[in-house]
Amino acid sequence: DTEVTQTPKHLVMGMTNKKSLKCEQHMGHRAMYWYKQKAKKPPELMFVYSYEKLSINESVPSRFSPECPNSSLLNLHLHALQPEDSALYLCASSQVGTSGSGEQFFGPGTRLTVL
Amino acid sequence: GENVEQHPSTLSVQEGDSAVIKCTYSDSASNYFPWYKQELGKRPQLIIDIRSNVGEKKDQRIAVTLNKTAKHFSLHITETQPEDSAVYFCAASRSNDYKLSFGAGTTVTVRA
Repeated sequence: DTEVTQTPKHLVMGMTNKKSLKCEQHMGHRAMYWYKQKAKKPPELMFVYSYEKLSINESVPSRFSPECPNSSLLNLHLHALQPEDSALYLCASSQVGTSGSGEQFFGPGTRLTVL
Repeated sequence: GENVEQHPSTLSVQEGDSAVIKCTYSDSASNYFPWYKQELGKRPQLIIDIRSNVGEKKDQRIAVTLNKTAKHFSLHITETQPEDSAVYFCAASRSNDYKLSFGAGTTVTVRA
């Protein structure tokens, strides 16, 4: 299996809702990432997990809460979001090695709309 | 931190012609340079990458060149086809660094 999968594909939520995005990979990668992407802009890194531990938090607001239950799964919990948080949320994974993370494999993304 | 600049922001080419996208980077310690293609509504996909110990790499119609001294790298697409229409992102990173610094992207349109 050489794919990263994400659910749901689309999500519409109100500003008071709580929802979660899910990501799964079975490539044996030990680094997993969350990115936020606005239309025609590059992906912006939010969080990195390495060996199931949070390695990087790019000063993301606390209304976004990541979780890595095991080496194959990555969640992003959402609470009290703002309309400007509407975007495509991409999950990615990569190997970990002394030569750098190398290729990052992206999932198809969750298109999030906050009303 | 690393700053990657990408030009042009849009590129329109006639089918069969070549397309060239250029990126410059600021951090001389960067040593990994991937290129991602993102079609409308789809995920970014790696199309080619190069490490700093190599000056050029080719894969069929796609090639990437790297000039470490000048800190720039370029993507070359030959014999363009309509399916090459997409947004292309260059990126740079260091060894043992999970962060990819992306360029702003180039929207390529191949006219039939």
